[in-house]
Amino acid sequence: GEDVEQSLFLSVREGDSSVINCTYTDSSSTYLYWYKQEPGAGLQLLTYIFSNMDMKQDQRLTVLLNKKDKHLSLRIADTQTGDSAIYFCAEKVGAGTALIFGKGTTLSVSS
Amino acid sequence: GAVVSQHPSRVICKSGTSVKIECRSLDFQATTMFWYRQFPKQSLMLMATSNEGSKATYEQGVEKDKFLINHASLTLSTLTVTSAHPEDSSFYICSARDSGGTVQDEQYFGPGTRLTVT
Repeated sequence: GEDVEQSLFLSVREGDSSVINCTYTDSSSTYLYWYKQEPGAGLQLLTYIFSNMDMKQDQRLTVLLNKKDKHLSLRIADTQTGDSAIYFCAEKVGAGTALIFGKGTTLSVSS
Repeated sequence: GAVVSQHPSRVICKSGTSVKIECRSLDFQATTMFWYRQFPKQSLMLMATSNEGSKATYEQGVEKDKFLINHASLTLSTLTVTSAHPEDSSFYICSARDSGGTVQDEQYFGPGTRLTVT
């Protein structure tokens, strides 16, 4: 079946790195995504990675994909208080299909 | 980037009434749109897939007679919550798939509609 799991909470200090982890079960996933949701707001696409890639870096964000272990991580370097939000991992299995979301990781950044 | 709007952003209605939520793709055509529902501190759950010009496909457990979906044009899908009850109170989010096709087949999300049924 299709399932995406994430840890629910992460707390870091401003300036530290944050690492949010995600596991998925469907080995036929084509794309994997990270979305950010601030309180009361919609989803903001942060980054995505194609399933044949191992790593993708975009400014402060680094995505690592271990396809063998079906493990995805999002590293945020130099975490700021503005990064406090809920981060959702999502996978897409087939072209044109809906995304399957994890429950979200609440990132809390303290100054 | 591509923009998806939702209207209204927030609505409060009385129990028993119906509410229509619109999802529009503003600068691209979307033959497929998705409707999700998000409860507080929960993930997004897919409710239905809306296909332009044909009937929507509903996920298991979602009542199609209660959540009416119409996708009459390539830029507009509507979700009507009929005879709303307090348990229908939720955050409804739509996404639209760009029919033009991008490498990553990206879906663009709307900002969401907060429905409160009193």
